[in-house]
Amino acid sequence: KAGVTQTPRYLIKTRGQQVTLSCSPISGHRSVSWYQQTPGQGLQFLFEYFSETQRNKGNFPGRFSGRQFSNSRSEMNVSTLELGDSALYLCASSLAGTTIYGYTFGSGTRLTVV
Amino acid sequence: KNEVEQSPQNLTAQEGEFITINCSYSVGISALHWLQQHPGGGIVSLFMLSSGKKKHGRLIATINIQEKHSSLHITASHPRDSAVYICAVSGGGADGLTFGKGTHLIIQP
Repeated sequence: KAGVTQTPRYLIKTRGQQVTLSCSPISGHRSVSWYQQTPGQGLQFLFEYFSETQRNKGNFPGRFSGRQFSNSRSEMNVSTLELGDSALYLCASSLAGTTIYGYTFGSGTRLTVV
Repeated sequence: KNEVEQSPQNLTAQEGEFITINCSYSVGISALHWLQQHPGGGIVSLFMLSSGKKKHGRLIATINIQEKHSSLHITASHPRDSAVYICAVSGGGADGLTFGKGTHLIIQP
């Protein structure tokens, strides 16, 4: 079966711009979570969506937002980009919940802000 | 907030050696996850544990809930095992996953 698909794989943006990243989960999975990975901070939880509702949110500013559609595909948006937003953004899908089922991760979107 | 500590941070070993990576956490959890990340970024979920021990091929993961400690073992290590191994926990009052800093493993032929 198809895995978790993230698009685009690479992205270069300028400070102040906004960006939208996409994540298509495994068919049948209803939970999508997003993570940011940087060399300094490592992996950090951004937010989790389940059945189109944000269920959990990490400690990130309001410039980071997301949504989930009825087909479980999810997007995350970062507005007013800063240099520090340069990172690998990973999404993971799960059948139903974060503490009961395992995760399948996508390959990530590498965002560079210049 | 759960603090997740991994050791060692870096490990270089010879092919065939038995490898152990340790993970400890500070607050009770629902589950502990071992993840593998290769250069290029993709993450593979190896194990999800809430108690006891799991084995998959040459990989073994154990968890001691009372001591808040888990270990990942690799038997008969091979150069293709070279990767970053990340411990993550879920539950324990925190939202989403909380990650350790990772262990960078290099297996030399």
